[in-house]
This record gives sequence, C-alpha cells and structure tokens, in this order.
Amino acid sequence: DVKVTQSSRYLVKRTGEKVFLECVQDMDHENMFWYRQDPGLGLRLIYFSYDVKMKEKGDIPEGYSVSREKKERFSLILESASTNQTSMYLCASRPGPQETQYFGPGTRLLVL
Amino acid sequence: RKEVEQDPGPFNVPEGATVAFNCTYSNSASQSFFWYRQDCRKEPKLLMSVYSSGNEDGRFTAQLNRASQYISLLIRDSKLSDSATYLCVVNLNTGGFKTIFGAGTRLFVKA
Repeated sequence: DVKVTQSSRYLVKRTGEKVFLECVQDMDHENMFWYRQDPGLGLRLIYFSYDVKMKEKGDIPEGYSVSREKKERFSLILESASTNQTSMYLCASRPGPQETQYFGPGTRLLVL
Repeated sequence: RKEVEQDPGPFNVPEGATVAFNCTYSNSASQSFFWYRQDCRKEPKLLMSVYSSGNEDGRFTAQLNRASQYISLLIRDSKLSDSATYLCVVNLNTGGFKTIFGAGTRLFVKA
C-alpha cells in the first residue's frame, strides 16, 4: 500500500510565525504536491515537484515556499503565517504524470 | 468556465437506489481520468480510474465519452456507507504534470 504521511494532523500557530509542514511518501514516487482545501473552493494547488530539488508554482503559491531535498520528502513552508492561511493542507504523491495521486491524511492549520 | 465541472448536489437518495454523477471537462489535452471519494474531514481516496471502454468495480460503473468530453459514475444499490463527496479528476497531457480536480458532488444515502 502506498503510504503518504504528514507531520501533524492539527496545528495552531500565531500570525507571523514561520510554519513547516512536512510530507513523506514511501513509494519512490517522482511527483509530489501540496494543496489546500477550503469549503466551497475545492482543492487548490499550491506547489508541486516533479523531481528532487525541482519545484513548480501551482495556482496559489503566494505566501508559501517548498523544499524537496530528498525524493521521499516534500516540505511546505509558510514564511509568515496569516489568518487567511487557516485551512486544510493536503500532500499527495504519484509515480508519474498520468498516474493517480495518493493523498496524506491532511493537516488542519489554524492561524490565530 | 471551470476546466472540470460537476453538479455539486447534494444528492439525497434512499438505500438501494441507483444514482449517477456527471462530470464535463473542457481541455482537449485531458489524458487520464479518475473518480475519487472524500469522506467528511478526510483526504480524497481513489475510487476508480476511468477508461474509454468503460469499467466496473462491483456496484460502481465509470464511463468516459471523449467526443463529448464527459465522464460519469453510476452507483447501484446505494449503501449508507456510500455517503461522501465524489470528485472527478483529470490529468492533462501538457508537460505531463497538471491535474484538475472537480469541486465534487455530495451524496447522502438515507435509511
């Protein structure tokens, strides 16, 4: 079974804090993704990575950065958390471009 | 116009009913297609891939019509446990990396 894990299920941070969300997959997948999901807006792509040290902006990259130093790990960084970044953050991975994506359990982030 | 459109529902059906969801996509570079299921406050999970010839997995049948750019999911003999949001998902063949998620269709199956 494909396993995608995320470092926290729930996180509470204060405005202005730097936040790190980590995602690890154990299936040697090439591509990894970070999404946020908000009621009524569906899944929105923040960043994706198609290989180690490679990254591409998604639809809503502002206020976020990412790091992929190792194939299995893809980190999302909120440089200075703001209340409008309160959301459910979902990480996903897939073997290749036309394959299905496998999601982690998600991190519910609350920024106060 | 959204690249992948679904009826948001909700669909409220009794147990045992047959229910069909439709999804249309607009990008002709759409290459591979999937239905995902998402339970409340959980992550999306793959329900089934969708093939041009149509495919079936137990009570679930998926169809793809490339000419009309249309995907469907049929659920027969609905169970209470089928209550969830169903997401239509399309992979584009444009550099190979973009995936478009529909906003989802809510299904409530009642006893």
